Amino acid sequence: QKEVEQNSGPLSVPEGAIASLNCTYSDRVSQSFFWYRQYSGKSPELIMSIYSNGDKEDGRFTAQLNKASQYVSLLIRDSQPSDSATYLCAVNREPGSARQLTFGSGTQLTVLP
Amino acid sequence: DADVTQTPRNRITKTGKRIMLECSQTKGHDRMYWYRQDPGLGLRLIYYSFDVKDINKGEISDGYSVSRQAQAKFSLSLESAIPNQTALYFCATLGGPGQGNNEQFFGPGTRLTVL
Repeated sequence: QKEVEQNSGPLSVPEGAIASLNCTYSDRVSQSFFWYRQYSGKSPELIMSIYSNGDKEDGRFTAQLNKASQYVSLLIRDSQPSDSATYLCAVNREPGSARQLTFGSGTQLTVLP
Repeated sequence: DADVTQTPRNRITKTGKRIMLECSQTKGHDRMYWYRQDPGLGLRLIYYSFDVKDINKGEISDGYSVSRQAQAKFSLSLESAIPNQTALYFCATLGGPGQGNNEQFFGPGTRLTVL
């Protein structure tokens, strides 16, 4: 079992819809969770971090964490074609900061105009 | 200017050659990382460093070595390159306490091909 698992996709949603990206992790002591966006041929960009159970909202993005079920998700509201990218989930054991991250293989999202 | 730079951006080399990838940052961050990315495998950590005297192996350090010449510079070496080291390599920095904690920046990447 991979430490961090994501559905590789591709996931396609129409413009204006909600895109839902999911990630599960195997290490119960994981403390910090991150979502990165990576455009084709570019480097990853941190878009969300979450440390405690529940929801965290930032603009059109909402991260959701459920430690009991060991999953973290990212919702993108009002999806735009510019959101088309690969989204990487990352976790680590250290509380409060990204010390040594384990990444999932990413979910490719396509937003159709 | 970019906060994290990598040189070279692209490199084609032959099996057995020694290769050095260089990374420089202007963020003032203590923590620096080297990752490789392969299709379908995501990012895998090779080495990381929290200061010039602190070097740590990551998930896939075999066949690689690093040097932290200064706070701003972190180099990755392949002593004898082999074809399965063909990948996209990223350098990254992370701010520690008082340095914009959790603020992680990736360099633009180096595409390495070993023939």
